[in-house]
Amino acid sequence: QVQLQESGPGLVKPSQTLSLTCTVSGGSISSVSYFWSWIRQPAGKGLEWIGRIYTSGSTDYSLSLRGRVTISLDMSKNQISLNLSSVTAADTAVYYCARSSVIITSFDYWGHGILVTVSS
Amino acid sequence: SYVLTQPPSVSVAPGKTATITCGGNNIGTKSVYWYQQKPGQAPVLVIYYDNDRPSGIPERFSGSNSGNTATLTISRVEAGDEADYYCQVWDSSFAVFGTGTKVTVL
Repeated sequence: QVQLQESGPGLVKPSQTLSLTCTVSGGSISSVSYFWSWIRQPAGKGLEWIGRIYTSGSTDYSLSLRGRVTISLDMSKNQISLNLSSVTAADTAVYYCARSSVIITSFDYWGHGILVTVSS
Repeated sequence: SYVLTQPPSVSVAPGKTATITCGGNNIGTKSVYWYQQKPGQAPVLVIYYDNDRPSGIPERFSGSNSGNTATLTISRVEAGDEADYYCQVWDSSFAVFGTGTKVTVL
């Protein structure tokens, strides 16, 4: 059973960089069968896709966040990382990592999510 | 960018049928996915490829997709179906989520 677990600081100051890690167990992020995405959800609001990465390192980012976001892989630790720079209060949200397959492209496994608050 | 529009809320009595729409330009040409999200929990996939159910999802959940509207139908609604529901598509290489619908079981 694949499990995803987000981790990182729960509080980030404005203008700084938000950095999160998603640790995958029960499966390998080096598999050619899957993409790994970050998705966020402000309190009381809907889901927003941030971007995704493939095992090759190829990435796709949301147009609204492009320029501020970087997603990367650490194969040795089976982890996916998210960096979001120049954060503001509008970046306060629960951040999820999720897996989608290259064939059935739905998000079939999700982490529990981590709340990140941007505040001084 | 591609936009998916859902009604903010749907109310339904137990045992009845809930219908949730997802509107998007020519959405019928795309594969639609539906997720259920209960308070404090991560979303759960309930429908993929317009009308396929992952293992463990009751047959009461079904979907359709044509023209400019995709639909999630929940038959014989139970109290446990109360949740937020989101549709999702891929617009080229970008995932797009609908605005979300809160289903209330009366």
